Amino acid sequence: EDQVTQSPEALRLQEGESSSLNCSYTVSGLRGLFWYRQDPGKGPEFLFTLYSAGEEKEKERLKATLTKKESFLHITAPKPEDSATYLCAVPNSGGYQKVTFGIGTKLQVIP
Amino acid sequence: GAGVSQSPRYKVTKRGQDVALRCDPISGHVSLYWYRQALGQGPEFLTYFNYEAQQDKSGLPNDRFSAERPEGSISTLTIQRTEQRDSAMYRCASAPLSGSSYNEQFFGPGTRLTVL
Repeated sequence: EDQVTQSPEALRLQEGESSSLNCSYTVSGLRGLFWYRQDPGKGPEFLFTLYSAGEEKEKERLKATLTKKESFLHITAPKPEDSATYLCAVPNSGGYQKVTFGIGTKLQVIP
Repeated sequence: GAGVSQSPRYKVTKRGQDVALRCDPISGHVSLYWYRQALGQGPEFLTYFNYEAQQDKSGLPNDRFSAERPEGSISTLTIQRTEQRDSAMYRCASAPLSGSSYNEQFFGPGTRLTVL
């Protein structure tokens, strides 16, 4: 069964303090990995898709990377508005429509 | 344009009652997904549709849960004879049809179901 594990479950950073979130997975034949951001009381919002090991994507202070076993979401000089839960997900076998989400990392950035 | 909408936003019901949760996807989106999200957890897949066809319902917990999308647009998730363990946030998402690559899913605000 496909599994997605995210760590840490919660992370508290000072504004400007860079860090990384981890998403590790056990899937047979990874065909992609997705990152979403979820603000309290709202639905997840798409950030990135990564398809192959070595691929990187960037958006403002966020940079996602992918290896054969895990993905990292690097946050450079975070701001309080980056506070959210960050979810990663992988597609199940047979297509890209059914995905398995991790439990997420709750990030709090303190001014 | 308008995003995914869900109604009601909050539903409180008594154990044993049936509930119907509605999802109105983004106009033109072919795919529609239902998830259940417990507090502190990621969304858990329930079922999805392409157009009006239900493609996968493997995530539905048991036969009390059903979903339909008769005209390929609005969808209803129905839970019969609700139980307290059904209490959760139910989220709907829509997306353009996925082919050989992933299309981002646009999530609605969810329906918070509480079964007393």
